[in-house]
Amino acid sequence: KQEVTQIPAALSVPEGENLVLNCSFTDSAIYNLQWFRQDPGKGLTSLLLIQSSQREQTSGRLNASLDKSSGRSTLYIAASQPGDSATYLCAVLDAGNMLTFGGGTRLMVKP
Amino acid sequence: EAQVTQNPRYLITVTGKKLTVTCSQNMNHEYMSWYRQDPGLGLRQIYYSMNVEVTDKGDVPEGYKVSRKEKRNFPLILESPSPNQTSLYFCASRTSGSYEQYFGPGTRLTVT
Repeated sequence: KQEVTQIPAALSVPEGENLVLNCSFTDSAIYNLQWFRQDPGKGLTSLLLIQSSQREQTSGRLNASLDKSSGRSTLYIAASQPGDSATYLCAVLDAGNMLTFGGGTRLMVKP
Repeated sequence: EAQVTQNPRYLITVTGKKLTVTCSQNMNHEYMSWYRQDPGLGLRQIYYSMNVEVTDKGDVPEGYKVSRKEKRNFPLILESPSPNQTSLYFCASRTSGSYEQYFGPGTRLTVT
């Protein structure tokens, strides 16, 4: 069964720092990997989707990479802002149509 | 605007009183699913539907029912809610091709 782990569980950084969030998964037979943002008590907002054949995707200050063979993905946030404070979730979709989420990284960016 | 909507957003009910949480999407997606989110357990899939009249169990289906009579709607039914079903529920739909997931705003359910 697929297991998805996110490290660290929580992160606090000063505004302006570049940071990296990590996601690892145990079964490399995935269809895609998606990064989401969740604000407290709110829904999930899709940030980036990487297909299994891709190595990275970029959107504004966000860059996500995927190394399927090693079972790893990273989300890079450049020049962090207080508005980036949220929980970031990664989720992998496997060939059996199952979407498995990591436990999330709770990010706080201090002004 | 492309979106997944859920109703109600908040619900407090009592044990055993049947309830339905509605989910609707306007993107003509074939695949829809339900998740619950609990502290320390993360997001877990309850049921999913590949298309109209096609549904299947996810990781935690006990105590829930679903139906898919129309492509746009995928209601979640709790026939006899219990306190352990207190949770934050999310409906999602998925594009064909890229399989990108879109989530609704969530329904916070409390069963007393």
